[in-house]
Amino acid sequence: DAGVIQSPRHEVTEMGQEVTLRCKPISGHDYLFWYRQTMMRGLELLIYFNNNVPIDDSGMPEDRFSAKMPNASFSTLKIQPSEPRDSAVYFCASKSDRSTYNEQFFGPGTRLTVL
Amino acid sequence: GQSLEQPSEVTAVEGAIVQINCTYQTSGFYGLSWYQQHDGGAPTFLSYNALDGLEETGRFSSFLSRSDSYGYLLLQELQMKDSASYFCAVRRDDKIIFGKGTRLHILP
Repeated sequence: DAGVIQSPRHEVTEMGQEVTLRCKPISGHDYLFWYRQTMMRGLELLIYFNNNVPIDDSGMPEDRFSAKMPNASFSTLKIQPSEPRDSAVYFCASKSDRSTYNEQFFGPGTRLTVL
Repeated sequence: GQSLEQPSEVTAVEGAIVQINCTYQTSGFYGLSWYQQHDGGAPTFLSYNALDGLEETGRFSSFLSRSDSYGYLLLQELQMKDSASYFCAVRRDDKIIFGKGTRLHILP
């Protein structure tokens, strides 16, 4: 398996623009998580899905952020409109419900810079 | 709510042993995980403790005391490639909450 795939790897945009981050989880995994990482706030859970259904979005910072998972192979995180304070590395992770160790597998991340 | 405390930085010498501590406060605790992250990389899973005691995986070991809300990661025979950030994380239901991470510096 190729692991969790994220695109783009880097995104530079201007304030006010819409940004869409994409994630393909590991095939067969039941859970998908979106995280944001910054120096100041560390690694924060934004939202997670179980079997394509959003379970907990309490970490989504505000209405400018939205996430979807239309099928088991694809998820998006959208920011509209983007602001400079959204600059961060965004990680997608997936895990199997059958994992003994509750292990999450992370994608390589998308480094977002909002100017 | 929940909180995790771990040192922000630790320095050790190549070939030595280092212990990274983690204390936590959370409701609905299921277990404690450890992840490693190299600069510019993604977090990768190291270990998971659901029960009290020591879990060993090669050079790395992880310990949990549920009564003390405390755990640690022990790295033996340190190698330069172990220079990275190490995160403890508590499991609550299906999700995990990460600490701020400990930056491990290794001196030759």
